[in-house]
Amino acid sequence: KQEVTQIPAALSVPEGENLVLNCSFTDSAIYNLQWFRQDPGKGLTSLLLIQSSQREQTSGRLNASLDKSSGRSTLYIAASQPGDSATYLCAIDNFNKFYFGSGTKLNVKP
Amino acid sequence: NAGVTQTPKFQVLKTGQSMTLQCAQDMNHEYMSWYRQDPGMGLRLIHYSVGAGITDQGEVPNGYNVSRSTTEDFPLRLLSAAPSQTSVYFCASNLRTGYTEAFFGQGTRLTVV
Repeated sequence: KQEVTQIPAALSVPEGENLVLNCSFTDSAIYNLQWFRQDPGKGLTSLLLIQSSQREQTSGRLNASLDKSSGRSTLYIAASQPGDSATYLCAIDNFNKFYFGSGTKLNVKP
Repeated sequence: NAGVTQTPKFQVLKTGQSMTLQCAQDMNHEYMSWYRQDPGMGLRLIHYSVGAGITDQGEVPNGYNVSRSTTEDFPLRLLSAAPSQTSVYFCASNLRTGYTEAFFGQGTRLTVV
């Protein structure tokens, strides 16, 4: 069974900092990995999707990398803003079955 | 384009009652799925469907039933609610797993007393 771990569980940073969120998984046989954002009381919004054959994806200030051999992914957020405050979750697509980490709760202070 | 719509948003049930959580998508997605989200545990897959008439179990299927008679709808049935089923439930859809992003509904907060 796929196990997905996210570190740290919570992070508080001043506005403008660059930061890295970590996701690790135990089974490297994956279709893809997705990073999601969840605001309080809301659903999940997909941020980036990395196919198993890819190494990284970028969208604006966000960059996600994938290293299947080591079972790791990182989400890099550049020049953080208060509007980035949310919970960030990574999810593994294991052939129609999705496995989520428990998330990193990010607080960006003005 | 409404995306993924879940109803109701909130529900309180008594132990032993049954109910159906509704999920509909208007994007002609093949894949639909249900998750529960509990504090500190992330989302866990309950059931999923890869197309009309095809369903399968996820990680935590006990106490829940699903069916998929149309591409658009994927209801989740609680047969006899238990306090352990108190959770936030999310429905998601995906055009094609493995290649495209998932879209989530806004969630249903269920409390079983």
